[in-house]
Amino acid sequence: DVKVTQSSRYLVKRTGEKVFLECVQDMDHENMFWYRQDPGLGLRLIYFSYDVKMKEKGDIPEGYSVSREKKERFSLILESASTNQTSMYLCASSPRKVGETGGTEAFFGQGTRLTVV
Amino acid sequence: GQNIDQPTEMTATEGAIVQINCTYQTSGFNGLFWYQQHAGEAPTFLSYNVLDGLEEKGRFSSFLSRSKGYSYLLLKELQMKDSASYLCAAYTGFQKLVFGTGTRLLVSP
Repeated sequence: DVKVTQSSRYLVKRTGEKVFLECVQDMDHENMFWYRQDPGLGLRLIYFSYDVKMKEKGDIPEGYSVSREKKERFSLILESASTNQTSMYLCASSPRKVGETGGTEAFFGQGTRLTVV
Repeated sequence: GQNIDQPTEMTATEGAIVQINCTYQTSGFNGLFWYQQHAGEAPTFLSYNVLDGLEEKGRFSSFLSRSKGYSYLLLKELQMKDSASYLCAAYTGFQKLVFGTGTRLLVSP
């Protein structure tokens, strides 16, 4: 079974803190993604990576950064957490490289519910 | 721009058939995904349509019309466990998905 594991299910952080959300996948997938999910807005792409040390901005990258030092691990960083970053964060991976035609199934982690107070 | 529309909520009765519609307008389109998400859980893959037409997979079927920018997910013989959110997502290329806001389906006895 493909497994995408996020380090925490629930996190509470204070405004201004630096926050790290970690994600690990065990299927050797090239692509990894970070989404946030908010009621009425659906899943929105923050950043994605199609290879080690490669990253691309998604639709809402402001206030976030990412790191992919190893193929299996993709980290989302909130440099200075704010209350409007309170959300459910979902990591996903998929097995196809950028540039190849056709979509592939994305496998999602269980999500991290982050509350910034 | 990117726009994916699907109903917010639907209700149905156990054993019935329900159709969840999705319309999309995206810059670039290479296929349409449907995911199921139970409350508090990760989304899981249901189907992927690239070509026009109906694809059947057990109790679930998915339809795509590229010319109309339209897809639907058909669920037959509804069961209580089908109560979940159903997410429509357009694949716009380079492994990027644009998601709709999801349709919450409530199945009652």
